[in-house]
Amino acid sequence: NAGVTQTPKFRVLKTGQSMTLLCAQDMNHEYMYWYRQDPGMGLRLIHYSVGEGTTAKGEVPDGYNVSRLKKQNFLLGLESAAPSQTSVYFCASTQRANVLTFGAGSRLTVL
Amino acid sequence: SQKIEQNSEALNIQEGKTATLTCNYTNYSPAYLQWYRQDPGRGPVFLLLIRENEKEKRKERLKVTFDTTLKQSLFHITASQPADSATYLCAPPPYSGAGSYQLTFGKGTKLSVIP
Repeated sequence: NAGVTQTPKFRVLKTGQSMTLLCAQDMNHEYMYWYRQDPGMGLRLIHYSVGEGTTAKGEVPDGYNVSRLKKQNFLLGLESAAPSQTSVYFCASTQRANVLTFGAGSRLTVL
Repeated sequence: SQKIEQNSEALNIQEGKTATLTCNYTNYSPAYLQWYRQDPGRGPVFLLLIRENEKEKRKERLKVTFDTTLKQSLFHITASQPADSATYLCAPPPYSGAGSYQLTFGKGTKLSVIP
């Protein structure tokens, strides 16, 4: 099925470890977004991309890096994980920067 | 600064009644608003988009209105069912100041339909 695929679905890290979350979409969408969702905080935008090779900061970018080397993939990296980054991460894509298609989420726990 | 607010964090209603959720915006005039549904442990799913020149839009038991005078969108679910229980999110267009395309959401309203 066409859509947005996030890997991994679950991950446990120790403080200071690094990891990369992968988002892949097969809809040829230009725009891609990474959000985190915490209880009581709603969805908060981390970084986004308006096309291959471009990235931009969202509301809460600190501690994260992103890359969009291929149009279909948007990677979210944590260089040195902290317990405050324990969250559920959602990737989304859209062709016209309006209606978003979301992935199923990646649940990250940092101990 | 531009702001989107969903007034209620939680709303409980009896099965069969109409649920009404509110999304208010301040300090700007969005060209459209979107509504999404999110079930626990899942990503949000798009439901409806209403443009500023559309007073009302419907999809099955769902109805959305857009009042530019009140700076408000209302989301209605008629003949509500327990299966409608979820969190509903409101989203404005991306803020396009200085070439930005941030797409942000309200905090959402958690709807519980009681049998």
